[in-house]
Amino acid sequence: EAGVTQFPSHSVIEKGQTVTLRCDPISGHDNLYWYRRVMGKEIKFLLHFVKESKQDESGMPNNRFLAERTGGTYSTLKVQPAELEDSGVYFCASSPLWRPTDTQYFGPGTRLTVL
Amino acid sequence: AQSVTQLDSHVSVSEGTPVLLRCNYSSSYSPSLFWYVQHPNKGLQLLLKYTSAATLVKGINGFEAEFKKSETSFHLTKPSAHMSDAAEYFCVVSSNAGGTSYGKLTFGQGTILTVHP
Repeated sequence: EAGVTQFPSHSVIEKGQTVTLRCDPISGHDNLYWYRRVMGKEIKFLLHFVKESKQDESGMPNNRFLAERTGGTYSTLKVQPAELEDSGVYFCASSPLWRPTDTQYFGPGTRLTVL
Repeated sequence: AQSVTQLDSHVSVSEGTPVLLRCNYSSSYSPSLFWYVQHPNKGLQLLLKYTSAATLVKGINGFEAEFKKSETSFHLTKPSAHMSDAAEYFCVVSSNAGGTSYGKLTFGQGTILTVHP
């Protein structure tokens, strides 16, 4: 069974540019989560999809971040325009059910560097 | 509200000696707790989880953790460290509160484990 995949693995962009990160969850997992770790800080929740609906986007930093999950399969996270403080590692996770006891399966992350 | 504190940012042990990674949590509800590990250039992998069944939880690769409600702790241990255990470890609590945050993970700051030959 394929795990959670993320693309690209690394992205280096200049301030003001746009970047789109992609996450493919494990097939059949309705729940998809985005997390972010900026350097020196803990991993923090960004948002949660149940199928194609945004269930909780309380962790999104500001309106420069836009997440979508069309058709309830893969998800994209767009940053427009990127700022220096957006640099970090962006993780995606998926789980089959929406329960606190469920394991969330993580992808390898996308390392974003904004210059 | 919930929070997690990993008491050590770095732990260094010799191969073959015990490992102890400390974690304290705060949660308004009976928590679900996890330990994840991240090896260099890899994704986060689940080591073990506590979901209100047995308080002593066994995980992969010989790791285990004990849930102690009175101490609000969930420390991770392993009797004998191996070189391959060198990685960063995360203690995580999952929200059992109702509402939209149900199931949201809150991470500790991470503990980097170094294993010396």
